[in-house]
Amino acid sequence: AAGVIQSPRHLIKEKRETATLKCYPIPRHDTVYWYQQGPGQDPQFLISFYEKMQSDKGSIPDRFSAQQFSDYHSELNMSSLELGDSALYFCASSWQGRNIQYFGAGTRLSVL
Amino acid sequence: SQQGEEDPQALSIQEGENATMNCSYKTSINNLQWYRQNSGRGLVHLILIRSNEREKHSGRLRVTLDTSKKSSSLLITASRAADTASYFCATANSGGGADGLTFGKGTHLIIQP
Repeated sequence: AAGVIQSPRHLIKEKRETATLKCYPIPRHDTVYWYQQGPGQDPQFLISFYEKMQSDKGSIPDRFSAQQFSDYHSELNMSSLELGDSALYFCASSWQGRNIQYFGAGTRLSVL
Repeated sequence: SQQGEEDPQALSIQEGENATMNCSYKTSINNLQWYRQNSGRGLVHLILIRSNEREKHSGRLRVTLDTSKKSSSLLITASRAADTASYFCATANSGGGADGLTFGKGTHLIIQP
């Protein structure tokens, strides 16, 4: 069965650069969530979208923005990167905002 | 402090033994979920228990929920080496639909062969 696809899998950036992470949800899933997980930490919710509209907002920095497109894929845009942004970024999807979320393999971002 | 605190933070047992992990939360919930994460990989949903349920089983997993104590436990019976992973409980921010999940700190489970 198709899963959540995230790209790229690994990304290395310098401080103050920008990064764009992409997420392709499971087919027919219309809800996308973004999470950040620092080393040894639990995942922290950033933001979610349902039917291309922002649905819930967590601890997403103002330097980050995200959107969901007409084909339901989502992009997380990160600007003015800081060392502390180094983390695993997970995307998850669900159908009609159902409780169970299906996670992608994540993008490992390293900011040098 | 954070919703969904796990206890213990690390647990090492022998293969074949049972593993019990506990989780506490602070706000009222509609349901509580448990997820598993292999090192550096994505989270996988294991089981969901609704607030009006006290116990739920799925294969070798048994979850309990005590809403009066705002706590839940995950029991893995007859553990296998492949069960080595981190386990997180998670609650939805407001119990609604497209709400983000708040995860606990996680229990790192190591199954010794």
